[in-house]
Amino acid sequence: AQSVTQLDSQVPVFEEAPVELRCNYSSSVSVYLFWYVQYPNQGLQLLLKYLSGSTLVESINGFEAEFNKSQTSFHLRKPSVHISDTAEYFCAVSGRSSASKIIFGSGTRLSIRP
Amino acid sequence: GAVVSQHPSRVICKSGTSVKIECRSLDFQATTMFWYRQFPKQSLMLMATSNEGSKATYEQGVEKDKFLINHASLTLSTLTVTSAHPEDSSFYICSAGNIEAFFGQGTRLTVV
Repeated sequence: AQSVTQLDSQVPVFEEAPVELRCNYSSSVSVYLFWYVQYPNQGLQLLLKYLSGSTLVESINGFEAEFNKSQTSFHLRKPSVHISDTAEYFCAVSGRSSASKIIFGSGTRLSIRP
Repeated sequence: GAVVSQHPSRVICKSGTSVKIECRSLDFQATTMFWYRQFPKQSLMLMATSNEGSKATYEQGVEKDKFLINHASLTLSTLTVTSAHPEDSSFYICSAGNIEAFFGQGTRLTVV
């Protein structure tokens, strides 16, 4: 079975500041890793994913995450945030044998201050 | 990417009635679909795995008789909340896919 830990329930940052949202996972098998974003009163959107290959993955809106197998981490970073990045961010994991069965972390609320 | 459609997006029902939520994979076949529940300001909790042509697999703590799941075709899974109560009010989301999961838009259920 897999599990995900997001230690920070809320991260407040100023606009244009860098941010890192932490994510650690636990699994006895090889995994796929994901970050999803949920804007207020909306559904889920896939932000980025790690399936294989390069351990650094990027999204189209400037976020990146790095898969670190030795530290079992998949932290999400952005060098300069915007007000529009205000949302709930969920780290998620699935086992490779049951790839579409996604287990979510508890979420981190990113709030951007002007 | 693939599209998963969920209907309805919002539903309000009276306590004691049953509500059916549909999840459809529009451009691919899904032998397996998943149902999640999200309480306000909380994460998504996996409720059950819907298996086409066989019984659903429920996660620990989820009442099978309360949340009926039917996966009668390769493109449709339904979740029926039976004898709904106010504590069943929540956001329900389905997903389907192979290597990557695609999520429906979600259904906000309010039981009054």
